[in-house]
Parts: sequence; C-alpha cells; structure tokens
Amino acid sequence: GQNIDQPTEMTATEGAIVQINCTYQTSGFNGLFWYQQHAGEAPTFLSYNVLDGLEEKGRFSSFLSRSKGYSYLLLKELQMKDSASYLCAVPRDGFKTIFGAGTRLFVKA
Amino acid sequence: NAGVTQTPKFQVLKTGQSMTLQCAQDMNHEYMSWYRQDPGMGLRLIHYSVGAGITDQGEVPNGYNVSRSTTEDFPLRLLSAAPSQTSVYFCASSYSISGTEGLGFSNEQFFGPGTRLTVL
Repeated sequence: GQNIDQPTEMTATEGAIVQINCTYQTSGFNGLFWYQQHAGEAPTFLSYNVLDGLEEKGRFSSFLSRSKGYSYLLLKELQMKDSASYLCAVPRDGFKTIFGAGTRLFVKA
Repeated sequence: NAGVTQTPKFQVLKTGQSMTLQCAQDMNHEYMSWYRQDPGMGLRLIHYSVGAGITDQGEVPNGYNVSRSTTEDFPLRLLSAAPSQTSVYFCASSYSISGTEGLGFSNEQFFGPGTRLTVL
C-alpha cells in the first residue's frame, strides 16, 4: 500500500506563507515530486527534488530530507488562485509512481 | 503540440458494459500510465507502459486491460463495468530516466484532461 502521508486540508490567508508537509517510506529513493491540481482539472508538475535541501522556483519552494523521509512545499505570497490540492509523489519499484492522497489548500481573503 | 489527449470527457455505462478509454500523446514519451482518482484517495496507478509492446500492472489493475501498439497511443479497456469503477481516469506520459540501482523511473508526468466515468 501507499506510505505517503500528507495533511488532508489546510487553510491560509491571502498574502501569507504556508508549508505543506509530506512524509514517505521507500527504498531505492529516486526523488520526490510535487504536483498541483485545481478542482476538476488534471494535475500539473510543480517540482522535483532528488538531493537534500531547498529548491526555489518563484513563489514556490520545495525541501527534501532523505534521511528523515520528509519533504515540504512552501508557498509564499499566497494568492486566491493557489487554492488547489497539492500532491506529493514518489517513484517506487521503478516505474510505479505512488501518490499521496493530496492536501487541499483553501486560501481566504 | 496537443500534449496528452483523452476521449471521451464524460461517459455513463451500465453495469456489465465494456468500453475503451482513449489516450494519445505527441511528445514521443516512452512512459505512459493510467490512474484513477477517487475522493480522499489520491491517484492510484492502474497500468503503465515503458514502450510500445511493453505493459505492466500498477496498484489496482483488476477489471482493466491495456495494450501499447504504438508510442503515441495507450488505450484502457474496461472489460465488464462495475459501479466500483465509477471514478475520474487520468492518462499521463513522461520521459523515463535512470535512477538508483540501474532501474528506470518516470520523470515529470504530463496528464491528460481526464475522463469522468459513471457506472450505474
């Protein structure tokens, strides 16, 4: 079964910073992906981490700690359009990418 | 480029009917996959393919068949639809890259718009 855990829902205020955590268990680690999915739409790629540390990409950053089996997605200067689900995913057994259940983020004015 | 396309967008079936969900990509990706997404359960892998003529099972393969006769197309067949197969189905494609222990894995995946299937 899946061994990826994310919070189910989070709420934050427009303009604020929010951190979405993901913990995973896997062997033969090949990196961790984050995807964004707006309601009724397909997931779209946000970031990929394979080495420890922080990767910054505009308002979004992603952090990885392989020793702790832990990653987070950091969203800065939140906008209403950031209201979406954020999916953490890990390649396992080669080509079987396993997705977490996703974190639904609500951004309020 | 059209990216990943899926047809139909919506489908209603009766229990026991069969049908094929179509998926095509024009990015020359080796890897293609089918997922289903149910509320609260995230994306679950049904079947995947690492190239024409090569397919394998994912987490939830029962009740579904796939084939990959060309690089571009990866249809998903429901053999005898059941209400438990009511879901949103996404097709995805990616390049494959080498990872640890010499095993390949899929890179960033590009998803199609999805097919919303209801089985009555």
